[in-house]
Amino acid sequence: DIVMTQSPDSLAVSLGERATINCKSSQSVLYSSNNKNYLAWYQLKPGQPPKVLIYWASTRESGVPDRFSGSGSGTDFTLTISSLQAEDVAVYYCQQYYGPPYTFGQGTKLEIK
Amino acid sequence: EVQLVESGGALVKPGGSLRLSCAASGFTFSNAWMNWVRQVPGKGLEWVGRIKKKTDGGTTDYAAPVKGRFIISRDDSRQTFYLEMNSLKTEDTAVYYCNTALDYYDSTGYYSGIYWGQGTLVSVSS
Repeated sequence: DIVMTQSPDSLAVSLGERATINCKSSQSVLYSSNNKNYLAWYQLKPGQPPKVLIYWASTRESGVPDRFSGSGSGTDFTLTISSLQAEDVAVYYCQQYYGPPYTFGQGTKLEIK
Repeated sequence: EVQLVESGGALVKPGGSLRLSCAASGFTFSNAWMNWVRQVPGKGLEWVGRIKKKTDGGTTDYAAPVKGRFIISRDDSRQTFYLEMNSLKTEDTAVYYCNTALDYYDSTGYYSGIYWGQGTLVSVSS
């Protein structure tokens, strides 16, 4: 199984500042035939379904503010929120959908400092 | 617009069975691999299993905790897929979501993205 490890487990950032969450996979999730990284980022708030932020590691979902960006390839990935807003308080998860089981990271709790 | 709508969640006793459904619309369902994912209240996300499209064999894969107890199937004519849950345990209590990652062209255009339903709650308790 591919193990997804996020860091840090929790993060407190001041409003307007940058937040960075890392995700490392135990093996590459880059599919060579199409050169796509099978890696997604989600935002989870209580009582709501996961909100897709980023897929293919760096493609922002339609309607997601451009302060959210994804980067990385192979085994190392990053979600960056360029200027933290109050509504960004949530738990963030990465997930690989390269091969089953489609594992998730353990989550990163983002709070306001 | 892509939509996924789950149904069938309920309160069931340990050892019981339940079938969830996920109705899809807004994309060519027969072209999609479909997944079930669950979230235990207050905990993280756990992938449950998937079913490939028929032209890729229509085969299924399951997470270890549910293998041998859960069965995923699909009915492309109804644009619906299912999660049959047997021998339910208290630890299966969760909100169950269906989801899909699309990446294909067909006569109607290019479909790419990840989509989730709103979820359905399964509670296993005596």
